[in-house]
Amino acid sequence: GESVGLHLPTLSVQEGDNSIINCAYSNSASDYFIWYKQESGKGPQFIIDIRSNMDKRQGQRVTVLLNKTVKHLSLQIAATQPGDSAVYFCAENNYGQNFVFGPGTRLSVLP
Amino acid sequence: DTGVSQDPRHKITKRGQNVTFRCDPISEHNRLYWYRQTLGQGPEFLTYFQNEAQLEKSRLLSDRFSAERPKGSFSTLEIQRTEQGDSAMYLCASSPTQAWGVNTEAFFGQGTRLTVV
Repeated sequence: GESVGLHLPTLSVQEGDNSIINCAYSNSASDYFIWYKQESGKGPQFIIDIRSNMDKRQGQRVTVLLNKTVKHLSLQIAATQPGDSAVYFCAENNYGQNFVFGPGTRLSVLP
Repeated sequence: DTGVSQDPRHKITKRGQNVTFRCDPISEHNRLYWYRQTLGQGPEFLTYFQNEAQLEKSRLLSDRFSAERPKGSFSTLEIQRTEQGDSAMYLCASSPTQAWGVNTEAFFGQGTRLTVV
């Protein structure tokens, strides 16, 4: 079936650097994407979303880029902080159906 | 309303017993999802409701699993004759999706961690 995957299972960055987390999706019909942050023992926390009619969206310290040509999604975190350490998931949705998640990328922020 | 609420947060049960979890979505959210998550994996879709109607069920959802949302508000997920393989975090999410085909953000609760011994 269709699936969402991530290029890197783990990512370590120095505090203050920018982080880039990547995601590849396989369903070309997906029209809506969300990035979630999940800390240990907690539910996924909504970070930012983007629709397929956009290629970039910015939030507070975060930017999501969507490249539909190669079915690629990325999350950029500016000035990474220790509190950003978590597992990050991308999720795709196809016209109001269920969200499909990838396995996640663990972000570790080094002091 | 502070978000999606799930109860209980933790449940330990013996194999073969039945368990029921509750989810209270964000007020006026008409879409409600159930997901299951095992350690080190992303959430796996189980089922979702649009108001009180159950619109889709995953092939992963065996006959031992049943979900309801009788009044289009809170939802329950029941697992009958639990097995050790049912041990996981069960997550509920809600979304203000207003109509079919319109995507909006989905917010998750803190989950119910089930341990079957």
